[in-house]
Amino acid sequence: DTAVSQTPKYLVTQMGNDKSIKCEQNLGHDTMYWYKQDSKKFLKIMFSYNNKELIINETVPNRFSPKSPDKAHLNLHINSLELGDSAVYFCASSQDYWDRGFHGYTFGSGTRLTVV
Amino acid sequence: QKEVEQNSGPLSVPEGAIASLNCTYSDRGSQSFFWYRQYSGKSPELIMSIYSNGDKEDGRFTAQLNKASQYVSLLIRDSQPSDSATYLCAAVTAGNQFYFGTGTSLTVIP
Repeated sequence: DTAVSQTPKYLVTQMGNDKSIKCEQNLGHDTMYWYKQDSKKFLKIMFSYNNKELIINETVPNRFSPKSPDKAHLNLHINSLELGDSAVYFCASSQDYWDRGFHGYTFGSGTRLTVV
Repeated sequence: QKEVEQNSGPLSVPEGAIASLNCTYSDRGSQSFFWYRQYSGKSPELIMSIYSNGDKEDGRFTAQLNKASQYVSLLIRDSQPSDSATYLCAAVTAGNQFYFGTGTSLTVIP
């Protein structure tokens, strides 16, 4: 059973398009996150959701809009895609927001987004 | 200065040797530290956590923490080709800010 699953695994799209990435966790965790990993392997937090509520929104262009229909799902919608959006996007979860400081994250398998 | 710094490598060690991966962090109030392993094309996987000064051992892995020097390391004994991956260090500050380093690429040569 996959703990944190993301779809799609690969996404190739043209500049200007709108795309979505879906994430689901079956761990019963309260908090979910979106991370972006660039070509240099640097992982940067984008959003944190606790029990469907947005708690952290890092400096991310408002073309990126997360949505959490329930605490097990966190989706990421990206409008007007740009070349610089090409990266690997990871969904992650933790028992709660403070628990990540004790037990870290469980990551999804990632979505490699390529904007051409 | 980044919050967590790692030597990007690549680090190459022969099979059976000890691999030593190092990490420094800038926030002196950081409370907990993690090592993640990331195989090429895969997601980061937590392999070690450490909260107190000293060593913590788990199988072939030993994490070492020195808060006075703001230094964390990961030792991999009896390195195997399957240990070849990027190792990400992470630190969590007192304010629960979670920072990753950019990772060290390790290659274990058979």
